[in-house]
Amino acid sequence: EDQVTQSPEALRLQEGESSSLNCSYTVSGLRGLFWYRQDPGKGPEFLFTLYSAGEEKEKERLKATLTKKESFLHITAPKPEDSATYLCAVQARQAGGSYIPTFGRGTSLIVHP
Amino acid sequence: NAGVTQTPKFRVLKTGQSMTLLCAQDMNHEYMYWYRQDPGMGLRLIHYSVGEGTTAKGEVPDGYNVSRLKKQNFLLGLESAAPSQTSVYFCASSYSIRGQINSPLHFGNGTRLTVT
Repeated sequence: EDQVTQSPEALRLQEGESSSLNCSYTVSGLRGLFWYRQDPGKGPEFLFTLYSAGEEKEKERLKATLTKKESFLHITAPKPEDSATYLCAVQARQAGGSYIPTFGRGTSLIVHP
Repeated sequence: NAGVTQTPKFRVLKTGQSMTLLCAQDMNHEYMYWYRQDPGMGLRLIHYSVGEGTTAKGEVPDGYNVSRLKKQNFLLGLESAAPSQTSVYFCASSYSIRGQINSPLHFGNGTRLTVT
């Protein structure tokens, strides 16, 4: 069974204190790993897609990386506005032939000023 | 573009009542999904659709039914609501890339349902 595990469940940082969030996965035939950001009371918003080991994507203070077993979301010098829940999802082929994403439980990030 | 629109935003039901949640997307996406999100459980897939007139079960389909009569709409029905169905429900859509993989999901802002 495909599994996606995110750690830590919650993370508190001081403004400017860099850190990383982890997403480990066990799927057969990975066809993309996605990172989303979710603010309270809102739906998740897309951040990055990674398709192959070694790939990296960057956006402002965020950088996502991918290996064959896990992905990291690095946050450099975070600001309070980076506070949110970060979700990881992996996409693999299902029995019926469709590619459906499976989500991890998320990491809740709070950045204190 | 409105993107993905969910109605209603909030609803309170009594045990045994029925209701339908509506999801509409204006991006001409083939795929549509219904997820539920509970504290500590992440997003769990209820049902999904790969095109008009087709639906399939996800991880937690029991107690729910869906229909996709039009490409832009995906309806989620609760025939007899139970307290265990208290949750936040998210609809999402995506499109196929070269018939192999899906684009990132576009989400609505959710429906918060309470069953008493």
